[in-house]
Amino acid sequence: ELKVEQNPLFLSMQEGKNYTIYCNYSTTSDRLYWYRQDPGKSLESLFVLLSNGAVKQEGRLMASLDTKARLSTLHITAAVHDLSATYFCAGEYNNNDMRFGAGTRLTVKP
Amino acid sequence: GAGVSQSPRYKVAKRGQDVALRCDPISGHVSLFWYQQALGQGPEFLTYFQNEAQLDKSGLPSDRFFAERPEGSVSTLKIQRTQQEDSAVYLCASSSLSYGYTFGSGTRLTVV
Repeated sequence: ELKVEQNPLFLSMQEGKNYTIYCNYSTTSDRLYWYRQDPGKSLESLFVLLSNGAVKQEGRLMASLDTKARLSTLHITAAVHDLSATYFCAGEYNNNDMRFGAGTRLTVKP
Repeated sequence: GAGVSQSPRYKVAKRGQDVALRCDPISGHVSLFWYQQALGQGPEFLTYFQNEAQLDKSGLPSDRFFAERPEGSVSTLKIQRTQQEDSAVYLCASSSLSYGYTFGSGTRLTVV
């Protein structure tokens, strides 16, 4: 069974700062996903990473995947308050089974 | 429809009561998934359908949990004799055969 671990679980950062969230997974994963969840809301898809070395960027967020290290990162550049949310990574294996990490609760302070 | 629709949005059940949660996936999406998300936790896999076939139900926590998708579209997650530990948000997601999942808004179940 695929196990996914994220760290940190809680992250408080100031506006304008940079930080990275890490996602390790235990076995070979077909795809790696990053989701955002606002309080009381559902999951919003951010990125899908398909292959080793994949890098995707959207605004202040950039995700990367290293399949050899079984590691994905979500890098936040010059954080703004609107990025405050919980971020989940999820690994997919067997083409239909997606397992989530515990999430990183990000708070961006002025 | 434009997205995955779940109902009810909120459900309060008395301990021991049976509940049924509905998921209406995106039209044409073959795959449908149910997840349970406890407060402050990540979603936990419950079960997976491809069309009407339930291919994986390994995440269902007990035999009180039952899911069906009889016509390969709408799915119902039924919980019998609810317990307090069943309180959680139940998320449904659908997917086409290519990658990408779309999640519904979830049903927040509170067992009192």
